[in-house]
Amino acid sequence: GAGVSQSPSNKVTEKGKDVELRCDPISGHTALYWYRQSLGQGLEFLIYFQGNSAPDKSGLPSDRFSAERTGGSVSTLTIQRTQQEDSAVYLCASSLAGTGTNNEQFFGPGTRLTVL
Amino acid sequence: GNSVTQMEGPVTLSEEAFLTINCTYTATGYPSLFWYVQYPGEGLQLLLKATKADDKGSNKGFEATYRKETTSFHLEKGSVQVSDSAVYFCALSDQNFGNEKLTFGTGTRLTIIP
Repeated sequence: GAGVSQSPSNKVTEKGKDVELRCDPISGHTALYWYRQSLGQGLEFLIYFQGNSAPDKSGLPSDRFSAERTGGSVSTLTIQRTQQEDSAVYLCASSLAGTGTNNEQFFGPGTRLTVL
Repeated sequence: GNSVTQMEGPVTLSEEAFLTINCTYTATGYPSLFWYVQYPGEGLQLLLKATKADDKGSNKGFEATYRKETTSFHLEKGSVQVSDSAVYFCALSDQNFGNEKLTFGTGTRLTIIP
């Protein structure tokens, strides 16, 4: 079946603009994660969704970042008033379930965001 | 908090050489440990994992053993190939946080020359 897909693959924006990044997880995967891969910070966790539970937002770097997951499937990561330090590759991952299962996380190809 | 420290590299080896990439971790609970690989132009994919002390994960000729006493999970391969050229990430997940979010090391870029 299809893997995790993300769109767009590349996004160039001007400082101060808002951007939306989309993630389509593998069908049937209830857990969804967003990570960020940047030169200065490496790979870091941003936010986690599991079913209908409240998301774990502990990794979001500022209140300019938000994410939602509609209908337990597609997720959108929104960055408001983008800054140059937001430039990074944003990765989405999904897995069959969350706590206590050690299920493999399957990663999408990422969205490369460049803020000019 | 949790953290992962791994050999930064870059690492360059000749084909058929022995590979070790060191990884140590700090965790508050009893984490699961992983090695992920990112081949050129591709996404992150799981290479191997171990979920408890003394477990050995293995895949594609790579091995890593979960050593609780030394808090380590070193990646090894006896004879590397050009196709192993990639970036390797050591990671842990600690269920004490209520989910299985991954904490990654900085990654090690491996280049194998023929």
